[in-house]
Amino acid sequence: DSGVTQTPKHLITATGQRVTLRCSPRSGDLSVYWYQQSLDQGLQFLIQYYNGEERAKGNILERFSAQQFPDLHSELNLSSLELGDSALYFCASSVMVAGETQYFGPGTRLLVL
Amino acid sequence: GQNIDQPTEMTATEGAIVQINCTYQTSGFNGLFWYQQHAGEAPTFLSYNVLDGLEEKGRFSSFLSRSKGYSYLLLKELQMKDSASYLCAVRGVPNSGNTPLVFGKGTRLSVIA
Repeated sequence: DSGVTQTPKHLITATGQRVTLRCSPRSGDLSVYWYQQSLDQGLQFLIQYYNGEERAKGNILERFSAQQFPDLHSELNLSSLELGDSALYFCASSVMVAGETQYFGPGTRLLVL
Repeated sequence: GQNIDQPTEMTATEGAIVQINCTYQTSGFNGLFWYQQHAGEAPTFLSYNVLDGLEEKGRFSSFLSRSKGYSYLLLKELQMKDSASYLCAVRGVPNSGNTPLVFGKGTRLSVIA
């Protein structure tokens, strides 16, 4: 158990819908990272927040957005969902900002029908 | 840009030794991570190298050569539970906006009896 929690564990929805994925980092960690992992694909970095501020942006679609709240939990919002958005979404956290060891949550498996 | 190459799949026998290679080309380098990921589960941290040489941790060792842009993960006394994907990840220069950690697509290792 890494100490990072994610909810929900599974999510099934329809095309065009909007969903919110939630992540709570390890106690004391200030950075949160979001990744997408499609079948047989590597981990694609989406976005990083550090202490409430956006820090780095990867291959995140405009239909996706995220935020980090004062209690340091983070939410990833996915809208106008398409079939291709079906994937595992992982959240990771680390102590500081500079890409040191990241600890991953169990992931949310999203299925868009 | 950043490019990370790993073999897609490997097979090895229980009790044997296997070496998983990773080569990288990056615009900035600030360390290399290895993660283990069982199917459908979260990646878990295995090792971190920032200086050249070998880091040993139980049955797992990781080697880095910065001049060659090369790393390997060595797994000894293979067990069936070692069947998983092994992800190589490069930490870039920690400037704001840079992707903190770039992952390779992973090497799927199958351990057979």
